[in-house]
Amino acid sequence: DTAVSQTPKYLVTQMGNDKSIKCEQNLGHDTMYWYKQDSKKFLKIMFSYNNKELIINETVPNRFSPKSPDKAHLNLHINSLELGDSAVYFCASSRTGGVGYGYTFGSGTRLTVV
Amino acid sequence: GDSVTQMEGPVTLSEEAFLTINCTYTATGYPSLFWYVQYPGEGLQLLLKATKADDKGSNKGFEATYRKETTSFHLEKGSVQVSDSAVYFCALIGGGGADGLTFGKGTHLIIQP
Repeated sequence: DTAVSQTPKYLVTQMGNDKSIKCEQNLGHDTMYWYKQDSKKFLKIMFSYNNKELIINETVPNRFSPKSPDKAHLNLHINSLELGDSAVYFCASSRTGGVGYGYTFGSGTRLTVV
Repeated sequence: GDSVTQMEGPVTLSEEAFLTINCTYTATGYPSLFWYVQYPGEGLQLLLKATKADDKGSNKGFEATYRKETTSFHLEKGSVQVSDSAVYFCALIGGGGADGLTFGKGTHLIIQP
């Protein structure tokens, strides 16, 4: 059983396109996150949702829009893709706040914009 | 805000060598501390954790002790294997988790046979 699953695993697309990445967790966690990992492996939080409500919204372009239809799903939609959006995007989940438990991560989506 | 500083690599060791990867942090209050590992082409896996001062987290032969007085959480292993080659991330959650999991920049570890 995959705890946090993301689709697709790889995504190659042209500049200007709109794309979505889906994430689902079956752990019963109530908080979900999106992280971006750049080419130097640096990980930075983008968004966090708790019970479908946005609680962390870091400074990212408004072309990025998260959507949480229920607490088991957090999707990431990206409009007008740019070359600089190429990265690996990780979804994660935790019990509320993750304090003491940490997060469980998906296997990542490697986005390449050409 | 919270921050994590760890030695940047790559760190190259021979098999069976002793490993230390340094990690220090800045946070308000009493954060929870973590080490995550990322094997090539894979996602992040929780390696070990500690939630209060003097706690020792351990897993797969790796250990780290939460040192509040030096704000450190150094990762150690007595005898590394080629299969330990990966990127290791030190991380913390502070202040009730409101700011999310904050990562260090990662240390690329290469173990040679």
